[in-house]
Amino acid sequence: EMVLTQSPGTLSLSPGERATLSCRASQRVSSSYLAWYQQKPGQAPRLLIYGASSRATGIPDRFSGSGSGTDFTLTISRLEPEDFAVYYCQQYGSSPGTFGQGTKVEIK
Amino acid sequence: QLQLQESGPGLVKPSETLSLTCTVSGVSFSSNISYWGWIRQPPGKGLEWIGSISYSGNTYYNPSLRSRVTISVDTSKNQFSLKLSSVTAADTAVYYCARGEMVLWFNVWGKGTTVTVSS
Repeated sequence: EMVLTQSPGTLSLSPGERATLSCRASQRVSSSYLAWYQQKPGQAPRLLIYGASSRATGIPDRFSGSGSGTDFTLTISRLEPEDFAVYYCQQYGSSPGTFGQGTKVEIK
Repeated sequence: QLQLQESGPGLVKPSETLSLTCTVSGVSFSSNISYWGWIRQPPGKGLEWIGSISYSGNTYYNPSLRSRVTISVDTSKNQFSLKLSSVTAADTAVYYCARGEMVLWFNVWGKGTTVTVSS
């Protein structure tokens, strides 16, 4: 089973700042099948990025994904108040699809 | 607009079977580009894929749960279901149903339903 390790565990930033979240896989992610989700308290996860770098429908362009192989990054160019949440990466190239443990982006 | 809604008992006794249903609206359930999945999240923890089913009934399960999981589909009712047998307290979680264009990837999620395993 592929293990995804996200860092940092918590990111304390102010609105308007840039957020950089990392996701490292224990094996190469097949075909860059890597997704990022945002989850707010009491809500379901929302798909942000798929295929490592493609934005899902309706996702603002301040969210961008990059990376390949075993190292992937989610960047939020300028944090808006609604962006403070937990972010999960997920690989879906090999079964079982596994998720990282999450990075919490909190208001500094 | 595609919507998914989970339903089922919120409390299940240990050793019994957890049964949940997901009702799909706003899209043809029989679309051959859709897979329908279940994911769970224990309190305060991360996400775990349970399994998925295609519109034609092909099933895919997480090996860690395969011996206890059954996912089925009822296209006439636009529903798919999850059964998890021999539950323990470790199965207490929010259970989400979701739709994806691949077996393991999900672009639309239900709101989730909390299931507690307790006597």
